[in-house]
Amino acid sequence: QVQLQQSGAELVKPGSSVKISCKASGYTFTSYDMHWIKQQPGNGLEWIGWIYPGNGNTKYNQKFNGKATLTADKSSSTAYMQLSSLTSEDSAVYFCARGGTYYPYWGQGVMVTVSS
Amino acid sequence: DIMLTQSPATLSVTPGESISLSCRASQSISTNLHWYQQKPNESPRVLIKYASQTISGIPSRFSGSGSGTDFTLNINRVEPEDFSVYYCQQSNSWPLTFGSGTKLEIK
Repeated sequence: QVQLQQSGAELVKPGSSVKISCKASGYTFTSYDMHWIKQQPGNGLEWIGWIYPGNGNTKYNQKFNGKATLTADKSSSTAYMQLSSLTSEDSAVYFCARGGTYYPYWGQGVMVTVSS
Repeated sequence: DIMLTQSPATLSVTPGESISLSCRASQSISTNLHWYQQKPNESPRVLIKYASQTISGIPSRFSGSGSGTDFTLNINRVEPEDFSVYYCQQSNSWPLTFGSGTKLEIK
């Protein structure tokens, strides 16, 4: 069965960076986009972007250009998202989800807390 | 960006009632609209794809309709486990966007 296992919660300082992971299993990792979605506390869902692990192609929500960088390691079937220059506005739960147009499979989410 | 407006923001109902939730798009998105349920501290779960297509494993009391700019999620006879937040999501154009959600609560 398809599973997306995300890394653990992060407490990070303002101005720093963080890299979170999403390990896929139960399907051919290189055949599906991996999307990333942000959810701030008590708020709705915001699409960040996707990566196609087969060739490394990416597409970003313009709002997250320069904030998020998506990569993928085919050898370990793991997708990564790095968030840089963190501020309190980046405190949120971040989900990976197998794409394309809708999301039948989600990771459990990673809570990132930005605090000094 | 395509904006999705969900209404109402909160709906208070008694178990057993049948309800409709609305999602309105800022421009036509054909039937490229999907519905999710999210319970506290869980990931969203897809309920309906492409406005009205069923998803394997989802109870038949959930149904969807609409096209263009107006969409509806119907729940026939709400069960206690249905009290949660519901989101719509469009895949017609980039960036993909979600509605702000409707919270279904017990009256």
